[in-house]
Amino acid sequence: EVQLLESGGGLVQPGRSLRLSCAGSGYTLSTYAMSWVRQAPGKGLEWVSGISGSGGNTYYADSVKGRFTISRDNSKNTLFLQMNNLRVEDTAVYYCAKIMGAVGGTFDYWGQGTLVTVSS
Amino acid sequence: DIQMTQSPSSLSASVGDRVTITCRASQSISSYLNWYQQKPGKAPKLLIYGASSLHSGVPSRFSGSGSGTDFTLTIGSLQPEDFATYYCQHSYTPPFSFGPGTKVDIK
Repeated sequence: EVQLLESGGGLVQPGRSLRLSCAGSGYTLSTYAMSWVRQAPGKGLEWVSGISGSGGNTYYADSVKGRFTISRDNSKNTLFLQMNNLRVEDTAVYYCAKIMGAVGGTFDYWGQGTLVTVSS
Repeated sequence: DIQMTQSPSSLSASVGDRVTITCRASQSISSYLNWYQQKPGKAPKLLIYGASSLHSGVPSRFSGSGSGTDFTLTIGSLQPEDFATYYCQHSYTPPFSFGPGTKVDIK
């Protein structure tokens, strides 16, 4: 059974950094592309970033480009999201999601989410 | 970037009703359209991918159709566990945007 478990969320001041992790189990992470999707309180879903199975290709939403970095350690079946220069509007539940296949944007399995709160 | 819209934004229905939700893309996305269900406090779940393919384990009362820019999610006979928010999302090319959601609640 595919399972994804996010960690690393918390309360952080504007301008500071945070690193999210997503540990996968029940499948071989390197076979599949992965993404981060966020949801601000009471709002809809927003795709944030994606990475290919090998890690060689990365993609970002304009809202986080230049501030967030997605990466992966396939030897540890773990996905990361380094978030720098955080803004109040980055406050959200962050989900990691497995992509159906080595590339693409169909999210077939999701973690339970980790809450990031950016506030002074 | 491709923009996704959904209608209606919310609807009230009864158990046993047939429910239809519409999604529109700002440009043609072929059949690169997915549907997700989200219940309060929970992660979204994939229902339909490729516009009309049912994800593993999803009940057959859910179906999807459409191509190009116009798509539909249909729930054939609404069940109590189907009251939730439904999102469409394109997987044509990054950024993979979502629609604003359709909340289905009990009449």
